[in-house]
Amino acid sequence: KQEVTQIPAALSVPEGENLVLNCSFTDSAIYNLQWFRQDPGKGLTSLLLIQSSQREQTSGRLNASLDKSSGRSTLYIAASQPGDSATYLCACTYYSNYQLIWGAGTKLIIKP
Amino acid sequence: GAGVSQSPSNKVTEKGKDVELRCDPISGHTALYWYRQSLGQGLEFLIYFQGNSAPDKSGLPSDRFSAERTGGSVSTLTIQRTQQEDSAVYLCASRAGGGSHEQYFGPGTRLTVT
Repeated sequence: KQEVTQIPAALSVPEGENLVLNCSFTDSAIYNLQWFRQDPGKGLTSLLLIQSSQREQTSGRLNASLDKSSGRSTLYIAASQPGDSATYLCACTYYSNYQLIWGAGTKLIIKP
Repeated sequence: GAGVSQSPSNKVTEKGKDVELRCDPISGHTALYWYRQSLGQGLEFLIYFQGNSAPDKSGLPSDRFSAERTGGSVSTLTIQRTQQEDSAVYLCASRAGGGSHEQYFGPGTRLTVT
């Protein structure tokens, strides 16, 4: 069964710290992996997409890595800001129908 | 350009009533997905449309749920005889198809069944 797990479920850190969010997946035959951000009462914003052939992707202060062999991905946020507070979701796409299999998310709070 | 839009943004309905949720994908996107996010739970896949192919309905939770996509564009998700457990945020996403597999999400419809 294809499952995606995110740890921790919640994280609270002071502003300015670097932090890492973790995502693990049971089936390594992924097509790609995406990290999303979800703000309360709003939709999903795609942050980074890593193809199965890639090891990492970077966008601004965000860096996502992918290790298919170990079934893990990390999202690194540098110099965190209060505006980074949101729920971060990891989702894997598989070849079958390209539907996304979702983790439960990590709720991140950046304290000013 | 315009993103994925959904309507209504909020819907409150009485138990037993039917509801229709609408999704307008990004123009030209061939693939369309519906997902559901229940309170305190993760997102779950409901249904997937790709071009003119038969939709993948494997995620629909019961036969009260159905969806159609007219003209390869707008999609409507219909829930008949709504139950309280149907209360959730319903998200629609579209994908360009071909070599692109990034899904773009709409803002969602928050459904509350009283």
